[in-house]
Amino acid sequence: DAMVIQNPRYQVTQFGKPVTLSCSQTLNHNVMYWYQQKSSQAPKLLFHYYDKDFNNEADTPDNFQSRRPNTSFCFLDIRSPGLGDAAMYLCATSRDMYLETQYFGPGTRLLVL
Amino acid sequence: QQQVKQSPQSLIVQKGGISIINCAYENTAFDYFPWYQQFPGKGPALLIAIRPDVSEKKEGRFTISFNKSAKQFSLHIMDSQPGDSATYFCAATRRGRRALTFGSGTRLQVQP
Repeated sequence: DAMVIQNPRYQVTQFGKPVTLSCSQTLNHNVMYWYQQKSSQAPKLLFHYYDKDFNNEADTPDNFQSRRPNTSFCFLDIRSPGLGDAAMYLCATSRDMYLETQYFGPGTRLLVL
Repeated sequence: QQQVKQSPQSLIVQKGGISIINCAYENTAFDYFPWYQQFPGKGPALLIAIRPDVSEKKEGRFTISFNKSAKQFSLHIMDSQPGDSATYFCAATRRGRRALTFGSGTRLQVQP
């Protein structure tokens, strides 16, 4: 009964080769988030969508883009991955208001060679 | 002002003992403080949360203590079990901001 699904679970890409990570949700939540989590660090918010409204964090590099074609799906595009982009990428959703629980997916571990 | 400082970085507790993790914040606009639990290879999951209008919230073996004047809050795990071994993140947010500001995490190991 997975609620937030991320594919693939592991992704290997080459330096500079574009990569897309996928997230889908069965919760019908309005808000979808993308976090980057490096080893032994806290998740760092990259951006989020409130419905179709895109909200970028000020310090998110331009190399990271996102698309949300419908309520259920959200994609993270890394245009030119660098070695420093190797991390766990977490997708999360919440229903709406700030007091709402965020539900995280299992993450996609990205390796850049 | 958006930072949440968490300590200790790692913690080893014997089975049956009390685990205590502390967090401090500076932004007085924060008014919602959740704790997330993360097992290896999994995404974080909400454990327990508190608002500053109460000083304590308890759910089973997990208790949040909140000190508004000191701008500090802590997680207490009573009767710690090996299955509690995980990384714990405190977080904070405020009305008008949907995103969470996470602490740096505490890796808890409960020894049998």
